[in-house]
This record gives sequence, C-alpha cells and structure tokens, in this order.
Amino acid sequence: DAGVTQSPTHLIKTRGQHVTLRCSPISGHKSVSWYQQVLGQGPQFIFQYYEKEERGRGNFPDRFSARQFPNYSSELNVNALLLGDSALYLCASSPELGSAKNIQYFGAGTRLSVL
Amino acid sequence: AQRVTQPEKLLSVFKGAPVELKCNYSYSGSPELFWYVQYSRQRLQLLLRHISRESIKGFTADLNKGETSFHLKKPFAQEEDSAMYYCALRTGANNLFFGTGTRLTVIP
Repeated sequence: DAGVTQSPTHLIKTRGQHVTLRCSPISGHKSVSWYQQVLGQGPQFIFQYYEKEERGRGNFPDRFSARQFPNYSSELNVNALLLGDSALYLCASSPELGSAKNIQYFGAGTRLSVL
Repeated sequence: AQRVTQPEKLLSVFKGAPVELKCNYSYSGSPELFWYVQYSRQRLQLLLRHISRESIKGFTADLNKGETSFHLKKPFAQEEDSAMYYCALRTGANNLFFGTGTRLTVIP
C-alpha cells in the first residue's frame, strides 16, 4: 500500500497566483482532510471531505476551497496567494467518520512557497 | 473552543533517562486525545491514542480529565526517540486540533 500520496512535493508561486494541490487517499478510505502547517507550528485543520461532501471547515478565508472526486481523491485550491500562505500542506485520509477506531493517516505534504 | 497546549518547544534528555512530554487541552465535550510523532524525513504518524490504553515503543499516556492533561511518558529514553511530537485533540466532527509540538532530543 502506497499510503496517502500528495503532489506536487514542492511548489513555488508568486503573490496573487492560484494553486491546486492534489491528494490520493489510502485505498478504501473515504474521508480526506487537509491541514496547513506553518513553520514552527502544529498542523491546522482546513477542510474535511467524506463521500464527496464537505463535512468540516476550519477558520480559513474563502480563498481556500476543496473538493473530493468519486474515486475519493481530493484537490485543495488556494486563490489570490499571499505570502502568509507559505506552508506545508498536509492531506490525511481515514476510512470513515466518527468511529472510535478511526485514525487519520498523513501524506508527506506539499511544500508551498509564495514569493 | 478547543485548544491544545504543549508548553515545551524543545526537550533534551540523556539516553536512559525518563522523559515526559506535556500536553494540556481545553474542550467542552468528551475528548479524544492522540500523540503523533514525526521522525526526521518521515511523515507524521500516529504514536498512540488514549482510548487504546496501550504502550507503543515504550511510551504511555494517560488521560487525566481532572487536570485536562494527556502527558506522554517513557521510563528510559532511547536515541531513536528523537523526533517531533504533537499532541492532538479530536472533536466529534473527526477533525484534529494539534498543539505546537515538542522537539525531543535524546543525548547519547
């Protein structure tokens, strides 16, 4: 099992541009969550999707959006990039929602640098 | 609102010494607490969770609801324990809220 895969691994953009980050969950996992990790901080929750529907949203501006596809892969989109969006973006997948046995498995992340 | 606090950004101990990484939380509901670890050049991975009440790699953590704490402990630190450790709280919505992390260095 390849685990959670994210692409690209690194990305450099300039202010005002748009970016799309991609995530493929572990086979059989139906839920995908996105986190932003700024240097020196812990991961911060952005979105959660389950069965193609948004099930949770963190405290992020509307410039951030996401979607989940029928094969359970997901994209995170960020518009009008700001310098402060520079961070490691993590994707995590889990089998279901709400189960006490549910564990989130993380990808290696996409390192976004905004210049 | 939920909050996870890890008061120590850096912690250094000698090999063989006991180690305790502190975690305190604030949450009005019934908490689920986790410890995640990130070894050098590896992805974030689950170390243990309070509902399992198990020991992983010699580490244990007990949820203390009275003190709202979930400290991670190991009686004898090993060099391979050097890593970044994150305490996380899961709410009913299955979202994880992380602390700022503690970097543990075990000195040979």
